Amino acid sequence: GQQLNQSPQSMFIQEGEDVSMNCTSSSIFNTWLWYKQEPGEGPVLLIALYKAGELTSNGRLTAQFGITRKDSFLNISASIPSDVGIYFCAGPIQGAQKLVFGQGTRLTINP
Amino acid sequence: DAGVIQSPRHEVTEMGQEVTLRCKPISGHNSLFWYRQTMMRGLELLIYFNNNVPIDDSGMPEDRFSAKMPNASFSTLKIQPSEPRDSAVYFCASRTTGSRVGAFFGQGTRLTVV
Repeated sequence: GQQLNQSPQSMFIQEGEDVSMNCTSSSIFNTWLWYKQEPGEGPVLLIALYKAGELTSNGRLTAQFGITRKDSFLNISASIPSDVGIYFCAGPIQGAQKLVFGQGTRLTINP
Repeated sequence: DAGVIQSPRHEVTEMGQEVTLRCKPISGHNSLFWYRQTMMRGLELLIYFNNNVPIDDSGMPEDRFSAKMPNASFSTLKIQPSEPRDSAVYFCASRTTGSRVGAFFGQGTRLTVV
């Protein structure tokens, strides 16, 4: 089936550093979604991308829809302690009905 | 507006017992998803419904798992009999079919089978 592969699986950074993570697939996606999950909570949507090449920002977060439509990138600038969590990419398949997720990138920040 | 509501938040049960997890989707959403999250396997889609009808249950691990959606505002995920390997966090999520925005998740039910 269609799979989303995220890298890295985990990141340990210092507060203030920039963060980059990506998500790839062997299949084309028409929408890319980025979620964040904090401990004890469900994933929350951060950014949605709908067009190849699209670059969208949400505060210090910026995400890009890859030109090939098989990848997406998420960047976090000037990280702060509350950025800690697991970041998931996701995309709809089966005629946009079914939502599948990557394995997640776990972000840990040292103050 | 109330988000997706799941109950209970935590469940501890003995192996062999029946477990029922409940979900109330966001009002007006007509797609509902059940996911399971574990350290080893991440977020797995178990089953999803459109307009209360199960569309794809290929992610349901085995016959011990069943899900129902008797109406637009309620769904259950049942495990009978439960086993220790079923221990995980189970999430319910909802959206409007075809919406360009992703699904909205509940806070999850942490299930521990001892």
